[in-house]
Amino acid sequence: SQKIEQNSEALNIQEGKTATLTCNYTNYSPAYLQWYRQDPGRGPVFLLLIRENEKEKRKERLKVTFDTTLKQSLFHITASQPADSATYLCALDTNAGKSTFGDGTTLTVKP
Amino acid sequence: ETGVTQTPRHLVMGMTNKKSLKCEQHLGHNAMYWYKQSAKKPLELMFVYNFKEQTENNSVPSRFSPECPNSSHLFLHLHTLQPEDSALYLCASSQVNQPGSGANVLTFGAGSRLTVL
Repeated sequence: SQKIEQNSEALNIQEGKTATLTCNYTNYSPAYLQWYRQDPGRGPVFLLLIRENEKEKRKERLKVTFDTTLKQSLFHITASQPADSATYLCALDTNAGKSTFGDGTTLTVKP
Repeated sequence: ETGVTQTPRHLVMGMTNKKSLKCEQHLGHNAMYWYKQSAKKPLELMFVYNFKEQTENNSVPSRFSPECPNSSHLFLHLHTLQPEDSALYLCASSQVNQPGSGANVLTFGAGSRLTVL
């Protein structure tokens, strides 16, 4: 069956370090993959999208990689700040235009 | 504000009540969605409307009834719900170039927190 797994439910790191979040999937052939950020009491907010033929995408302190052989995406936040503390969701999309979400990783950046 | 507005933000209802959740998007998008978010579970897609037509209904119980009168408004009518239906209900919209294809970047509202007693 199709499955999306994000690494540990919670990730705690020290301010200034790089946070690395993992999204693994099985039995999918996604056309692209997205990362969203969700703060408590709010809806998810789109951050980055990477297509199946792209290896890496960057946006300011954010970097996403996509390895369709390993069936894995890594999401990096460099020089992390307490304001980066939130839950991060990955979503896989086929060309049918439907997004299927992982259950998220809650990141806490400690000062 | 994201451009997607949901009301009410909080709703408490009994199992025999009838209530509705409302969503309005100001982004000119042509697709709207209802997602359910329960604690410790991934977002679950409930309904999709592309070009005002319902194109997806993920085996949602009939006590949830969607309505999309135009491309800017989406409702979720609730009737005789169960306590396990308590969750955060999220509305989202996106611009789909052709039905069933293309990147699907979602813009979410802040959600309606539903508690069923």
